Amino acid sequence: GAVVSQHPSWVICKSGTSVKIECRSLDFQATTMFWYRQFPKQSLMLMATSNEGSKATYEQGVEKDKFLINHASLTLSTLTVTSAHPEDSSFYICSAVLTVYSNQPQHFGDGTRLSIL
Amino acid sequence: AQKVTQAQTEISVVEKEDVTLDCVYETRDTTYYLFWYKQPPSGELVFLIRRNSFDEQNEISGRYSWNFQKSTSSFNFTITASQVVDSAVYFCALSESANAINTDKLIFGTGTRLQVFP
Repeated sequence: GAVVSQHPSWVICKSGTSVKIECRSLDFQATTMFWYRQFPKQSLMLMATSNEGSKATYEQGVEKDKFLINHASLTLSTLTVTSAHPEDSSFYICSAVLTVYSNQPQHFGDGTRLSIL
Repeated sequence: AQKVTQAQTEISVVEKEDVTLDCVYETRDTTYYLFWYKQPPSGELVFLIRRNSFDEQNEISGRYSWNFQKSTSSFNFTITASQVVDSAVYFCALSESANAINTDKLIFGTGTRLQVFP
């Protein structure tokens, strides 16, 4: 069964709205979660690395004030797209890893399709 | 710099054919991990395999097999006797993990879209 839950799976909203996406690790604690973005028919691009209890590390070119990441607990990370515009429409997917030394691969959520009108 | 190249954008085969998906990677590290993920039309990413750079032994899992060749920096994936349910986008990915703790980010290739026709 799924070990990472992502919610919502699908969002349509008006331009200017802020949208929050949740990523939860189920039955394991994740000190690190990753947020990726995937445009249609393209690859997944890492946006940021989210570490529990500290500030996220953003990849070059990703606006940290626009994509707010909060990793307040070992099982939950949230991505908020602030003042979303049509160009932010994309597929957002998170992944989580077990706590360090677990030597396990990343587990991905089912993704969130975001459409901004 | 790290890079993953999947030169095949799309492949179409007829059911029961064998198909190989190519993956070539670049890295300066001696310790790294290679992955394959499957992304069906529904969008989720399904983990298929992870290999570390010290293990060049080929692996077989049912109809799936992987050929890791360090000499050519390739990690190819073969599906034997393909089925319609294998239709998906397949991503090869690389992570560098100098201390063998798998918390490092994944660098994805551009993916290969496989269509299996009945």
